[in-house]
Parts: sequence; structure tokens; C-alpha cells
Amino acid sequence: QVQLVESGGGVVQPGGSLRLSCAASGFIFSVYGMHWVRQAPGKGLEWVAYIRNDGSNTYYADSVKGRFIISRDSSKNTLYLQMNSLRPEDTAVYYCAKDLPGYSYYVDVWGKGTTVTVSS
Amino acid sequence: QSALTQPRSVSGSPGQSVTISCTGTSSDVGGYHYVSWYQQHPGKVPKLMIYDVTKRPSGVPDRFSGSKSGNTASLTISGLQAEDEADYYCCSYAGSYTFVVFGGGTKLTVL
Repeated sequence: QVQLVESGGGVVQPGGSLRLSCAASGFIFSVYGMHWVRQAPGKGLEWVAYIRNDGSNTYYADSVKGRFIISRDSSKNTLYLQMNSLRPEDTAVYYCAKDLPGYSYYVDVWGKGTTVTVSS
Repeated sequence: QSALTQPRSVSGSPGQSVTISCTGTSSDVGGYHYVSWYQQHPGKVPKLMIYDVTKRPSGVPDRFSGSKSGNTASLTISGLQAEDEADYYCCSYAGSYTFVVFGGGTKLTVL
């Protein structure tokens, strides 16, 4: 079955870096665009970044632009999120999510998330 | 502050209908036919309920329906059931620069 498993979360000091990974299985990874969406404790969903199926285009929320980089390795069926210059407000559960087939703006499968805590 | 505005909470009794609004601008909700709605139960991952304003993914009951007028999209749940109690988020495409924005979420309580 389609599965997304995030890893790489943890506790990091403000200004630090972290790289999240998302291992995909059960579908042809290279066919679908992928998103990162986050949810701060007790708060709503916030879209973070998107990468097209072939990696040709990437998009970012203003709140992370210039600090985060989304990438993918189709040979490893893995999505990444490199997070630099982390701030306390980046504290959240980060979800890896797959495109709805044929659409770039919707998510039909979510991972269970990995928790990032930015604190001194 | 979220880009799309939703009421913080709505409520209804079993069997009733409720509507959740999602107000944006001509740069997102009003400018494109790419509005979606997600349901999230406590401690669970979100689930896509509506896309392209009105379409339901396979498996979503037809009690859930979507619509849009101008800069405001709406999710209507008819025949409320206890299991519908959850948080609901609207989402819209917002152009190639902003790409996607979520609403702040609405907590639905089934009385």
C-alpha cells in the first residue's frame, strides 16, 4: 500500500539546521509531486514546500523561503527538506505528503509526521 | 494569521446540516477553481474531503459537498453524524509565487 515515512526530526537550537527525510513506497515515486506541510502544537496546518515530480520546479511558503530547501532522489524514493537558520516558530510536526494523481495542489496521502522542536 | 479565514468553531446536532465558510481574496479562492477541504480528527493525519471546489475523492460520503461564490468557499455537511466531529481546513491554490495556502481551521462539534 502507499506509505510515506518521515524521519530526521528532533530538538535543535535556534539558528541550527536539520534535514528531514521521507521514504516513499507503494507507488511510482517519480510520477508524483510531493509536499511538506507542518502543524505547530495546537495550531492549524501550514503548507511549507512543494516539488514537482521531476524536481524541475520548487515552491515555498514565504515563512521558509530562503531558509528551507526541498529536494528528492527518485533513485532512493526519498523526499527531503533541508531546514537552515531554524527559529522557534518552526517548531511543528512536519508531514510529508503526496499529490492527488493528476493534481499539484491537493494531497491524498500523508505520512505520520516527524516532530521538530527549535529551542535553546 | 492564516491567508484564508475560517470560523474558529461551528456546531450542529446529529442529522442537521452545517456549513463552514472559507474567505480569501481574488488572488486565491476567488481567482482559481482549486479549493480543497481536509478533515482532521485529533491525533490523526488530515484527510482530503473535497477538491476542485466540488469534487469528492472516492470513499468520501456524499453528505459532504463544496461550493464557491466569489472569494468565499464553503463546505456543507448534511445529515451530521458523531464521527464528523473534527477540525476542517480549507486550502486554495494562490498562484505560482505563493502556490498553496491553508485556512486557520474550524472545529466542528456535533452536539
